[in-house]
Amino acid sequence: SAVISQKPSRDICQRGTSLTIQCQVDSQVTMMFWYRQQPGQSLTLIATANQGSEATYESGFVIDKFPISRPNLTFSTLTVSNMSPEDSSIYLCSVDFAGTGNTIYFGEGSWLTVV
Amino acid sequence: TQLLEQSPQFLSIQEGENLTVYCNSSSVFSSLQWYRQEPGEGPVLLVTVVTGGEVKKLKRLTFQFGDARKDSSLHITAAQTGDTGLYLCASSGGSNYKLTFGKGTLLTVNP
Repeated sequence: SAVISQKPSRDICQRGTSLTIQCQVDSQVTMMFWYRQQPGQSLTLIATANQGSEATYESGFVIDKFPISRPNLTFSTLTVSNMSPEDSSIYLCSVDFAGTGNTIYFGEGSWLTVV
Repeated sequence: TQLLEQSPQFLSIQEGENLTVYCNSSSVFSSLQWYRQEPGEGPVLLVTVVTGGEVKKLKRLTFQFGDARKDSSLHITAAQTGDTGLYLCASSGGSNYKLTFGKGTLLTVNP
């Protein structure tokens, strides 16, 4: 499988600030996704990052809070805006290399703590 | 949205013991994926099962997909401390490729 790199790997952020997480894949992929994993919880899909168009958000997540960019087939960013302690989570980029929904791989995650 | 139930939620065993964890749904899985996640890291894909009744082996790990494709199990033989982690099952429904995850089984293998 290809390599999925995320940065930052972890950060401590001040309340009210915004942080952008980057996801770089070393091969072109059609489907890229962003997930959130709150402490002690499972993973929840935030949105599907669409190349060249606006991301598709899941219920409970909005573009103003989690703007996403996908300028090409190997790169995406997720911004967590106006952070509060409730946003402290691991944010994960994932890709579907085969485009079948059966082989979805994850980056190593970006662990954000909001103080 | 398909709901996935995993059991047990927590499992603590001694090195060398065998264990089985389960993933169940009230509806049919199109396919099912098992992941292992270590603290502070992203989930690592272990296996994907697609066909009802399918059995896949990965060294000491045996994955089984129920005949009706509504349940799956992961059996670990002779557990090692390196098996410690959160085991997650996930399924993507239909053609949307979006994964729904269970809450996971947190396994601790003690030396």
